[in-house]
Amino acid sequence: AQSVTQLDSQVPVFEEAPVELRCNYSSSVSVYLFWYVQYPNQGLQLLLKYLSGSTLVKGINGFEAEFNKSQTSFHLRKPSVHISDTAEYFCAVSETGGSNYKLTFGKGTLLTVNP
Amino acid sequence: GAGVSQSPSNKVTEKGKDVELRCDPISGHTALYWYRQSLGQGLEFLIYFQGNSAPDKSGLPSDRFSAERTGGSVSTLTIQRTQQEDSAVYLCASSLGGQYYGYTFGSGTRLTVV
Repeated sequence: AQSVTQLDSQVPVFEEAPVELRCNYSSSVSVYLFWYVQYPNQGLQLLLKYLSGSTLVKGINGFEAEFNKSQTSFHLRKPSVHISDTAEYFCAVSETGGSNYKLTFGKGTLLTVNP
Repeated sequence: GAGVSQSPSNKVTEKGKDVELRCDPISGHTALYWYRQSLGQGLEFLIYFQGNSAPDKSGLPSDRFSAERTGGSVSTLTIQRTQQEDSAVYLCASSLGGQYYGYTFGSGTRLTVV
């Protein structure tokens, strides 16, 4: 079974500052990794995903994440945040292969961007 | 439809009553998932349907919870004899069936048991 740990439950930053949201996972098999964003009163939206290939993955809204297999991490970064990036961010993992595509999510990180 | 549709968006029910939550996935999506989101607890997997295969019910918290998916499309999550700890946002998602695509989520049903 796999698990996901998001190390920070809340991250406050000022507008135009860089941000990193941390995610570590645990799994006995190879995994695919995802970041989702949830804006207030909305469902989750896929930001980016790592399936294979380059370990640096670029997503929507200027976000990127880097897969580090040795550290079992998939941290999310943005060089300069906007007020509109205020949302909750979820890291998720699924096992490669097989027929069960279930995602296991972390508990989320609330990013608050202040003016 | 263009997205995953869930109804109702909000539901307030009395403790002990049964409730039904509906999910209408994106047309052609073979996989459908139900998750529960409680404050500070992230997303908890409930159940997963894939095509005509037997559903993965491993996340259902008790036998008061059940779900069905009719004709490989619409799904209904039923909670019998609701308890206050069932209060949460219930999210439905669908996908084309592989990890490559990720999930498309609905906006959820906020269930409040009073």
